[in-house]
Amino acid sequence: DVKVTQSSRYLVKRTGEKVFLECVQDMDHENMFWYRQDPGLGLRLIYFSYDVKMKEKGDIPEGYSVSREKKERFSLILESASTNQTSMYLCASSSAGESPLDEQFFGPGTRLTVL
Amino acid sequence: AQSVTQLDSQVPVFEEAPVELRCNYSSSVSVYLFWYVQYPNQGLQLLLKYLSGSTLVESINGFEAEFNKSQTYFQLRKPSVHISDTAEYFCAVSANSGGYQKVTFGTGTKLQVIP
Repeated sequence: DVKVTQSSRYLVKRTGEKVFLECVQDMDHENMFWYRQDPGLGLRLIYFSYDVKMKEKGDIPEGYSVSREKKERFSLILESASTNQTSMYLCASSSAGESPLDEQFFGPGTRLTVL
Repeated sequence: AQSVTQLDSQVPVFEEAPVELRCNYSSSVSVYLFWYVQYPNQGLQLLLKYLSGSTLVESINGFEAEFNKSQTYFQLRKPSVHISDTAEYFCAVSANSGGYQKVTFGTGTKLQVIP
């Protein structure tokens, strides 16, 4: 059974803290993605990666960075958390890199609250 | 560029009644279409996808989707809903962009099944 896991389901942090969100997939997928999900806005892509040590900006990268040191792990970093980064964060992975047919597999999400 | 529009943010429906969720898309290139479902407190999971061929796509849990290329819509339907169908449904389009897969999600439609 394919699986994408995220390190925390719920997280509460204070403004200015550095926050790490971890995502691990066990499907040997090349592609990994970080989205944030907000009511009425759907899913918005923050960053994605198509290979180890490779990263590309998505639609809303400001205030975030990522790290992919190993194929199975993709980390999202909030260098200095702000209240407008309170959101649900979803990690996803998919196979290959060129086919638009490949579905994405999602983790359960991390609900981050920044106070 | 590609975009997805889900005009209905919430759809209440009585149990055993039919439901139709609308999704309109636009794209300058050929796209592939997906419906994902998100049950409460879970990540997204694939419901069905349109690749090519027949314009009617079926999933294993009674949902079907109709693809209309000329009017650019991908409607999700179910003839008789159950309480367990209460969830948020996301339409997504996927296309090749610069050699990579680019997926754009709609803003989601919350289906509330009323007993």
